[in-house]
Amino acid sequence: EVQLVESGGGLVQPGGSLRLSCAASEFTFSTYWMSWVRQAPGKGLEWVAHINQDGTEKYYMDSVKGRFTISRDYAKNSLYLQMNSLRAEDTAVYYCARDGGKDWGQGTLVTVSS
Amino acid sequence: DVVMTQSPLSLPVTLGQPASISCRSSHSLVYSDENTYLSWFHQRPGQSPRRLIYKVSNRDSGVPDRFSGSGSGTDFTLKISRVEAEDVGVYYCMQGTHWPHTFGQGTKVEIK
Repeated sequence: EVQLVESGGGLVQPGGSLRLSCAASEFTFSTYWMSWVRQAPGKGLEWVAHINQDGTEKYYMDSVKGRFTISRDYAKNSLYLQMNSLRAEDTAVYYCARDGGKDWGQGTLVTVSS
Repeated sequence: DVVMTQSPLSLPVTLGQPASISCRSSHSLVYSDENTYLSWFHQRPGQSPRRLIYKVSNRDSGVPDRFSGSGSGTDFTLKISRVEAEDVGVYYCMQGTHWPHTFGQGTKVEIK
């Protein structure tokens, strides 16, 4: 069974940074697009960032461009989201997702507040 | 960005009765490879989303056949032939044709 386990969330002050990780297992990590999707408390889903199989194509939603960076490590079968210059509106549960949303992790909560 | 508009936003249903959710996109979702990347997701309270349907009408493995998807271009529909108690939650459509991928607002399904 595919497993996606996110970690790295927490409370951070506005302007601060966090790095989210997603450990992937039980599938060939290098052959799938991977994504980060977020959900603010009580709100809907937003597709944050997307990276292709070999890491050469990356896409971001407009509000995070220049602040967030998606990356992947094939040796560790892991997906990352480096988040800088965090804002209150970035507060959300961040999910790691595989292959257009076929599989999802359990999510990690990021809270941006002073 | 492509705007996805779902209706209704709230759907009270009777157990055993059918239910239908509409999703409209602001742009055609037909990609250059002639596929239409429209998916449907279900999210129960406190849980991660689960994909039910991909490319308009393809059910993911393990999804009951009471769920079906249809549509083309800009108009899509998710149908539940006979609602069961486990079907409560929020349903989202999502387009994966244009970047950024975008979701509808969500339709909350509850039992009357």
